[in-house]
Amino acid sequence: GDSVTQMEGPVTLSEEAFLTINCTYTATGYPSLFWYVQYPGEGLQLLLKATKADDKGSNKGFEATYRKETTSFHLEKGSVQVSDSAVYFCALSDRNSGTYKYIFGTGTRLKVLA
Amino acid sequence: EPEVTQTPSHQVTQMGQEVILRCVPISNHLYFYWYRQILGQKVEFLVSFYNNEISEKSEIFDDQFSVERPDGSNFTLKIRSTKLEDSAMYFCASSAAGVREQYFGPGTRLTVT
Repeated sequence: GDSVTQMEGPVTLSEEAFLTINCTYTATGYPSLFWYVQYPGEGLQLLLKATKADDKGSNKGFEATYRKETTSFHLEKGSVQVSDSAVYFCALSDRNSGTYKYIFGTGTRLKVLA
Repeated sequence: EPEVTQTPSHQVTQMGQEVILRCVPISNHLYFYWYRQILGQKVEFLVSFYNNEISEKSEIFDDQFSVERPDGSNFTLKIRSTKLEDSAMYFCASSAAGVREQYFGPGTRLTVT
């Protein structure tokens, strides 16, 4: 079945450091890919998305590019802030699934130190 | 900006009791979902609902679970006889027709004692 694999956390960075959180997927069809962020005590917020190969999703300084050849959707940010501390989830929605359900990765906790 | 709301934010119940978790999806959305997240684990799909019926459910969603859209706005998840392992954060989500992007509520933390 479909699956999403994320790098283990926690990831601890100093403010203004470069961030990469790896995400790879397996899917029988041609999925849409998403990154969600969960701040402490809150729900899941859509951060960015990409629906086809080579699409780049971006939001709030975060970027991820849909790489079909490597089945990856790594999240990057050039300069992290303390306020970026949260848990980040990679997810896919397989177009072959009529229900549009999400398959999530395990989540990666990011801690940014001042 | 429209948002998905969930009530209660925290529910404590005893094993064997019934609980109903409530969600108000975004008003023009047509697809509705429940997910759960056991503490420290991944977010797992439970069920999707469209056109007043279940369109898909996971193996977690056994006979103890049911969903309902009792009126035009609410979407509920009922657990008939709670078990300790049902303790988790339950998220409701909704999406518009033809769009895969889902909007999540803040979650209900269910604690079964």
